[in-house]
Formats: sequence, structure tokens, C-alpha cells
Amino acid sequence: DTGVSQDPRHKITKRGQNVTFRCDPISEHNRLYWYRQTLGQGPEFLTYFQNEAQLEKSRLLSDRFSAERPKGSFSTLEIQRTEQGDSAMYLCASILRLAGNNQETQYFGPGTRLLVL
Amino acid sequence: RKEVEQDPGPFNVPEGATVAFNCTYSNSASQSFFWYRQDCRKEPKLLMSVYSSGNEDGRFTAQLNRASQYISLLIRDSKLSDSATYLCVVNANAGNMLTFGGGTRLMVKP
Repeated sequence: DTGVSQDPRHKITKRGQNVTFRCDPISEHNRLYWYRQTLGQGPEFLTYFQNEAQLEKSRLLSDRFSAERPKGSFSTLEIQRTEQGDSAMYLCASILRLAGNNQETQYFGPGTRLLVL
Repeated sequence: RKEVEQDPGPFNVPEGATVAFNCTYSNSASQSFFWYRQDCRKEPKLLMSVYSSGNEDGRFTAQLNRASQYISLLIRDSKLSDSATYLCVVNANAGNMLTFGGGTRLMVKP
């Protein structure tokens, strides 16, 4: 499968625990995005990377959230001291960003569904 | 006010019907526009980009009105397999961060 992959697909945790999700983008894609989607809502942007550089973070990304893309390939999203309000689907997307083009299709992974008890 | 607004529906239509969804966006600097489709418990998938001149892909027609900041999607001859949530999506910046509407749910019935 050459699409975007995410791991795990589902995660149940207790409030206060730390969780980490992984995203493997399409191999030649240089930009990687994280979004969060709650029930009945559209996805909301969290952060994105151009290669290994984190270029933008949403105000939704509190201090408990941290994302990395150390080698410009896979990325991890960690949530520390989880809260019930963190329960959502966390989606990763990637594109091959070419200069002067903003019409590239973002390809989404299957998401990681988090439930905080 | 949300940046991208859609009627959440659901739209319940019989097979073969024509159905139209509308979407408004608030950022006049928005540069590119899309419709994504999302099936239950699945990831969003690009249905089509939306161009100023309007564009068609088979049974699907998308229109953009920049002056009114309004996007539409028309589905003709609805199929059962069209049942899904349709997300209106806007890109307003060089970072390509997508802003999604809340989605419109379509249910096509036999």
C-alpha cells in the first residue's frame, strides 16, 4: 500500500495518560499535516511540516500536544496528560508541494481514533 | 461564525434525484476550493477541485462564486453509493492548510 498510513488505528486510554500516534506519509511527499476531527464536525488543522521543519501550529495545539518529523519522513503526534476533550479522530495528510502551486491534493491517512476515558 | 459554513442536513433523496449542496466561506483571500467526500468512520477523500469557471466530473458539477464567497456541488442521478458526508474545503494560504466546513450528510434511498 503506497498511501498514507497511521498507527494505531484505535487507542483507548485513561485520562492523564500520554499517547503517541505515528503517521507515515506517501514516500515522496514533502509536506505533512495533522488534523483533528470530532463527531459531527469537519477536520480542524493542527500543525504541518515541510520536510522536518514544523512551519505552522494552530491555536488548537495546546502545550500538551507536540509533533515531530525528525527525518522529514514519518511524523509523531504526542498528547501528554490526556483529557476527555481530546477524544477525536486524528488525521494525517501529505502532499508533494511544488513552488507556486496550491492546488495539490491532500491525501489523508485512515486516522487514529482516540477515546479518553 | 465558522470560516466555512454548510447545512449539515441530512438530505434524504431517492435514487435518481438531483441534489445540490451549498457552502459559504468568510475569508475573501481564499485561493483554492475543494469538495471532499467522507464515508462513515473513514478518512476524507478528494471528490473534486472547484474552479472559478465551474467544472464537471461525470454526474458532479461544482461552481464557485468568488464575489458572493459561495461554493456549490450538484449531484445528478443520485446513486445509493453517493450516500456520504460532503465536506466543503477552502485553502486560504501558502501553507496549504485546509479549512473544512462541518459537512453535509447525504442519504440516497432506494
